[in-house]
Amino acid sequence: ETGVTQSPTHLIKTRGQQVTLRCSSQSGHNTVSWYQQALGQGPQFIFQYYREEENGRGNFPPRFSGLQFPNYSSELNVNALELDDSALYLCASSLEGSTREAFFGQGTRLTVV
Amino acid sequence: SQQGEEDPQALSIQEGENATMNCSYKTSINNLQWYRQNSGRGLVHLILIRSNEREKHSGRLRVTLDTSKKSSSLLITASRAADTASYFCATGSSGGSNYKLTFGKGTLLTVNP
Repeated sequence: ETGVTQSPTHLIKTRGQQVTLRCSSQSGHNTVSWYQQALGQGPQFIFQYYREEENGRGNFPPRFSGLQFPNYSSELNVNALELDDSALYLCASSLEGSTREAFFGQGTRLTVV
Repeated sequence: SQQGEEDPQALSIQEGENATMNCSYKTSINNLQWYRQNSGRGLVHLILIRSNEREKHSGRLRVTLDTSKKSSSLLITASRAADTASYFCATGSSGGSNYKLTFGKGTLLTVNP
């Protein structure tokens, strides 16, 4: 158990819809990163939030957006869902906006039909 | 894009044998981390090795890092059936992009009882 919790665990959405995924970081961690993992691939960095500000972004379009709250929990929002957005979405918490040990949640499996 | 490349892509061994997985990367790094993933669920942090370290041990795990060759290896000794999982290396980059981890595609390890 890492102390990082994600909800929901599974989700099915229709193409064109919008989705919000949630993550609670490990106690004491002020940084949350989001990753997308397609089947058979390694996780790909989406973005990171540090002290409620975006601290870096990967090669994902603007319809992927996020938010971090004062308690350091975070949301990932995806608009205008596409079939290729079907993946496991992983949240990781860490300290100080860096790549020190990152602790991952169990992920949200998103299926877009 | 994926920075790391794990080798082999799949490895099948008998319980009690040692398992060695390799990882190569392309750019300068602050650290390199190894993660385990069971059945497409969350990533479990195994070990972090910093760029100025050459070898690190944790229980049955031994990690080496050769920054001149941009490569790392993970050795699991006396393997158990419970070690069956996918193993990923992830690099934390130096410089301006030190907020993200870049993962390889992983090695699928199967330990047969």
